[in-house]
Amino acid sequence: DAGVIQSPRHEVTEMGQEVTLRCKPISGHDYLFWYRQTMMRGLELLIYFNNNVPIDDSGMPEDRFSAKMPNASFSTLKIQPSEPRDSAVYFCASSFTEGGGTQYFGPGTRLTVL
Amino acid sequence: AQSVTQLGSHVSVSEGALVLLRCNYSSSVPPYLFWYVQYPNQGLQLLLKYTTGATLVKGINGFEAEFKKSETSFHLTKPSAHMSDAAEYFCAVSEGNTPLVFGKGTRLSVIA
Repeated sequence: DAGVIQSPRHEVTEMGQEVTLRCKPISGHDYLFWYRQTMMRGLELLIYFNNNVPIDDSGMPEDRFSAKMPNASFSTLKIQPSEPRDSAVYFCASSFTEGGGTQYFGPGTRLTVL
Repeated sequence: AQSVTQLGSHVSVSEGALVLLRCNYSSSVPPYLFWYVQYPNQGLQLLLKYTTGATLVKGINGFEAEFKKSETSFHLTKPSAHMSDAAEYFCAVSEGNTPLVFGKGTRLSVIA
């Protein structure tokens, strides 16, 4: 298996622009998680899906952030408009079962907003 | 709600020395416990996990951890550190029906 795939690996954009991050979970996994990692805040859970349905988005920082999972093999995290404080590494992870199951992480997308 | 505390944001050991990374958790039900490792510019990779059964859990790269309910701890150890062990280590807890809650991480440095 190729593991969790994220694209792009690096994204540099200017403040105010729309940013879309993409994730392909491991085939057969029914949970998908989006995390953000910064030096100041550490690893934060933003949102997670079960069977393509958002279960908890309480970690999404603002309305500028949105996430979708149109099918079992694809998810997006969108930031519109982006701000410099959104600069971070964004990880996607997937698993078979909630919590008790091991989460498999993608390599991350390093976002820099100028 | 569950929580994790990792004692020491940075630990430094000599090559060949014992590695001990501390993790204490809080949970209202029997927890599932995890250790992940993150190498520079990479995602998190599972080292080991405890769900039920034997309290001493062995993982990859010679690491192991012991679940101690009375101490609410899940410390990570390795008898002999190698240069390649230098990385960030995260402890995480779940109550089985909730997503993982991660600690803030411990950066391990290995000195030659």
